[in-house]
Amino acid sequence: AQKITQTQPGMFVQEKEAVTLDCTYDTSDPSYGLFWYKQPSSGEMIFLIYQGSYDQQNATEGRYSLNFQKARKSANLVISASQLGDSAMYFCAMREVNNAGNMLTFGGGTRLMVKP
Amino acid sequence: DVKVTQSSRYLVKRTGEKVFLECVQDMDHENMFWYRQDPGLGLRLIYFSYDVKMKEKGDIPEGYSVSREKKERFSLILESASTNQTSMYLCASSFAQGLHIQYFGAGTRLSVL
Repeated sequence: AQKITQTQPGMFVQEKEAVTLDCTYDTSDPSYGLFWYKQPSSGEMIFLIYQGSYDQQNATEGRYSLNFQKARKSANLVISASQLGDSAMYFCAMREVNNAGNMLTFGGGTRLMVKP
Repeated sequence: DVKVTQSSRYLVKRTGEKVFLECVQDMDHENMFWYRQDPGLGLRLIYFSYDVKMKEKGDIPEGYSVSREKKERFSLILESASTNQTSMYLCASSFAQGLHIQYFGAGTRLSVL
């Protein structure tokens, strides 16, 4: 079974609008971390935001926020006030504390396209 | 700022060649990782290393080997390149403590002809 599922292969959003990118995960580990990365066309993966499984509040970083619903095992990324530069691939990833080597498991990604 | 540098952005090699992909990080990170990225499959871990001279297999190690002789450098080796190894290769590094945020290089797009 897939550990990280991103069900939206591609999405469009109008500039200045908010957009939500979906991510669901599967783990039996009570302690885990969830990450979102952005990959522009240049190829580099850029870390955006982190949510720990025991964090009481949803993580926020500037225009990025993470809508963490633990019971539903979802960790959706919300981008407010979209900009043209937000057009990129977005990847959700999970680190399970009990896995050796601190590996990340990645979802298949969502391509976001911001329309002017 | 964390810097992870991959030696080449683009490489073209022939089937059967031995290929070296180099990665250097300047943040004194203990952990280093090699991934390959293919459309629709996300990133898949090939190998990782948590210390000098230490290595562990990831999800898809077949056809690859790695070398970590110094803490800052992690090399991926394709002993005999094949066309199904045409892909984007990404190197990453992280601390062994804290949030384990992985920082990535710009990637190497390898084509094997």
